[in-house]
Amino acid sequence: NAGVTQTPKFRVLKTGQSMTLLCAQDMNHEYMYWYRQDPGMGLRLIHYSVGEGTTAKGEVPDGYNVSRLKKQNFLLGLESAAPSQTSVYFCASRFRGLRNQPQHFGDGTRLSIL
Amino acid sequence: DQQVKQNSPSLSVQEGRISILNCDYTNSMFDYFLWYKKYPAEGPTFLISISSIKDKNEDGRFTVFLNKSAKHLSLHIVPSQPGDSAVYFCAAGSNQFYFGTGTSLTVIP
Repeated sequence: NAGVTQTPKFRVLKTGQSMTLLCAQDMNHEYMYWYRQDPGMGLRLIHYSVGEGTTAKGEVPDGYNVSRLKKQNFLLGLESAAPSQTSVYFCASRFRGLRNQPQHFGDGTRLSIL
Repeated sequence: DQQVKQNSPSLSVQEGRISILNCDYTNSMFDYFLWYKKYPAEGPTFLISISSIKDKNEDGRFTVFLNKSAKHLSLHIVPSQPGDSAVYFCAAGSNQFYFGTGTSLTVIP
């Protein structure tokens, strides 16, 4: 049982390069999320999706774009990477049901921007 | 401005004793609260939750207490075990959830 899988696990980029982080879940969850974790900042929500074809901004959306073309996949894009985007990125998903349904997290993508 | 705060970055406890992790929030509209546990190089995993209609929820060795008037929740682990050593995040919200900065718990054998 894979759960939430993030690809890649590590990546180093140069300033200005672009890349896409892939999140895939096999639990048929409706909701999906992208967070970044920085030292002393906890987990901050970048974007989220409540269903296929819909996305919404979170706390820190600037510099990122997302797409949810298929229910099981949620992509996070960096069009022009900046050193401030060096972080660990976590994807999560959960069922739509009760609001206290826990989120299931992937193991993270460690991204360094030089 | 952080809506959820965990003011203790770290905590060390002897095996068998009680661990108490604290969390404060600012928004009185938050009505669901969750605790997650995170090991290095892994994603957070759900531990326990509580809704605002309750003041206590218990699951085995883990108990979460909620004080709505103080906008404060705490996680009690009794007895603490070395395998409990991890970073603990609290999360609070209503439709969107906000995470604290985490408390690193070390349980000393």
